[in-house]
Amino acid sequence: NAGVTQTPKFRVLKTGQSMTLLCAQDMNHEYMYWYRQDPGMGLRLIHYSVGEGTTAKGEVPDGYNVSRLKKQNFLLGLESAAPSQTSVYFCASSRSGGAGELFFGEGSRLTVL
Amino acid sequence: AQSVTQPDIHITVSEGASLELRCNYSYGATPYLFWYVQSPGQGLQLLLKYFSGDTLVQGIKGFEAEFKRSQSSFNLRKPSVHWSDAAEYFCAVGAKTGANNLFFGTGTRLTVIP
Repeated sequence: NAGVTQTPKFRVLKTGQSMTLLCAQDMNHEYMYWYRQDPGMGLRLIHYSVGEGTTAKGEVPDGYNVSRLKKQNFLLGLESAAPSQTSVYFCASSRSGGAGELFFGEGSRLTVL
Repeated sequence: AQSVTQPDIHITVSEGASLELRCNYSYGATPYLFWYVQSPGQGLQLLLKYFSGDTLVQGIKGFEAEFKRSQSSFNLRKPSVHWSDAAEYFCAVGAKTGANNLFFGTGTRLTVIP
């Protein structure tokens, strides 16, 4: 029972480099989310998707792009990484949107030097 | 504006003692309320949720929470804490519809001492 899987789990980047975080879910959920978690700030929504081929901005979308080409995958991209993007990133999926239970991945810790 | 306040950043309790984690919310509509737990190095897991009906809800791992509309609170309780309960706990508020209207508090870190 894989649930939500994130890769990679750890990554160190230099300022200006690009990278992509991959999230895969095997529960056939329509809704998928990318959050970032910073000390003392809880979880903040970056982008989300309500189905294959759709994406939308969350609370803190600047500097990130996303794609949902397949229902089971949700990619988070950083085109030009900045130190302010050092964070732990969590992907989540849900069957029924805002009121539904979110299933989280284990997180991806990103450090930008 | 929607917001969730968890006033306690860090709480330490002895194993076997009772626990109460506070959560206050501000929400314009009828709130759907959640408590999630994050064990070290893990993602968040749903402990319990309140949608309607009985204001005392039971969750997994022996946790319960009480919705008090007059106080805009949804406090989490456990009568006897186990060492494995050491984790970070997040309260969240959302609405019945919509894809992106779940708001998380800043979390309360629980330490359990023997």
